[in-house]
Amino acid sequence: QKEVEQNSGPLSVPEGAIASLNCTYSDRGSQSFFWYRQYSGKSPELIMFIYSNGDKEDGRFTAQLNKASQYVSLLIRDSQPSDSATYLCAALVTDSWGKFQFGAGTQVVVTP
Amino acid sequence: EAEVAQSPRYKITEKSQAVAFWCDPISGHATLYWYRQILGQGPELLVQFQDESVVDDSQLPKDRFSAERLKGVDSTLKIQPAELGDSAMYLCASRVGGAQYEQYFGPGTRLTVT
Repeated sequence: QKEVEQNSGPLSVPEGAIASLNCTYSDRGSQSFFWYRQYSGKSPELIMFIYSNGDKEDGRFTAQLNKASQYVSLLIRDSQPSDSATYLCAALVTDSWGKFQFGAGTQVVVTP
Repeated sequence: EAEVAQSPRYKITEKSQAVAFWCDPISGHATLYWYRQILGQGPELLVQFQDESVVDDSQLPKDRFSAERLKGVDSTLKIQPAELGDSAMYLCASRVGGAQYEQYFGPGTRLTVT
């Protein structure tokens, strides 16, 4: 079973601080990675994707990928109470028809 | 903005009954996914369609679950008979297909089996 692992949290972050979320994956062939935000009782919402080693920035979000170490991270700068949610990491499974393996998610709580 | 539509949003059924969920993907999206998400876990793929064809149903409990996408557009997921352990959120997602891997989720159907 090709796995994606995340710390379940909760990760408590003061408002205005940086939230750092990590994700490791076992499928060494995975090339594409996705971060979703999921509010309680709602469906996942795509916020970032990254295909290449290094950093990718989109607004307050930065995704980082290190294929050699098989980890992906998400940084949320200037955290706001509205960022309080569960963040899901997903990896595209190698040699599949576009199948994704999801982690269990990290719960983030931004405290005012 | 185009969205994935799902219905119903909530469903309560008794065990041994049949239940069906419907999904209408974003227009033009060739790839459609059905996931099951249990509280505290990530989505688990049940079935993936490419147009009208099933390309992955390896995790679908085929003795009780079935899925179809007859014209390659909307899709139906059925459970018969429902069991208590089927209580979960059922999510539909779609993407354009090919090498475009960004997938978008519908609002989901919350199923409770009593």
